[in-house]
Amino acid sequence: AQSVTQPDIHITVSEGASLELRCNYSYGATPYLFWYVQSPGQGLQLLLKYFSGDTLVQGIKGFEAEFKRSQSSFNLRKPSVHWSDAAEYFCAVGYSSASKIIFGSGTRLSIRP
Amino acid sequence: DTGVSQDPRHKITKRGQNVTFRCDPISEHNRLYWYRQTLGQGPEFLTYFQNEAQLEKSRLLSDRFSAERPKGSFSTLEIQRTEQGDSAMYLCASSTGQGGLNEQFFGPGTRLTVL
Repeated sequence: AQSVTQPDIHITVSEGASLELRCNYSYGATPYLFWYVQSPGQGLQLLLKYFSGDTLVQGIKGFEAEFKRSQSSFNLRKPSVHWSDAAEYFCAVGYSSASKIIFGSGTRLSIRP
Repeated sequence: DTGVSQDPRHKITKRGQNVTFRCDPISEHNRLYWYRQTLGQGPEFLTYFQNEAQLEKSRLLSDRFSAERPKGSFSTLEIQRTEQGDSAMYLCASSTGQGGLNEQFFGPGTRLTVL
């Protein structure tokens, strides 16, 4: 079955520090990979997506993610976090044969002043 | 505002009552999706439409749940005989449906509380 694992439930980093959020997905041909962010009271916003091509993808708000097929991973990174990055982050996977997206359980990011 | 809109934003109901939510997708988006999100979890897929056709339903969608998209534009999600376990955020999303899987744009959600 298709699944997404985000092993870190909650992460706290200091403002200005680097960030890496982990994501692993179950094996499947041609995965479509996404990272969404959800702030309190806000809808889900797409940060970035990977369909094919360059395995390092750039997104909005200074985020990037790297697809590693050998590790079935799609980790999200940011070199320097800002207090406004505090939110819930969801990794998600879809497959070209289906239209639904499978979400991970999320990682809550807190920023230490 | 041309984003996905949902109405109402909040709904409090008593157990056993019926509720209906509405979703207006981005104009000209062919695909419309419903997800449910409980506290501390990621969204879970419920169902999706391509135009007015309901093409997939999750096993999560019990027979108390019904969704419609009668003219291929807005959609409604009805829950009959609500139970406390139905308390959740119900999210709607839409996409262009061009080609394979593509980006889904999410609405703000309807938060349902069943007392």
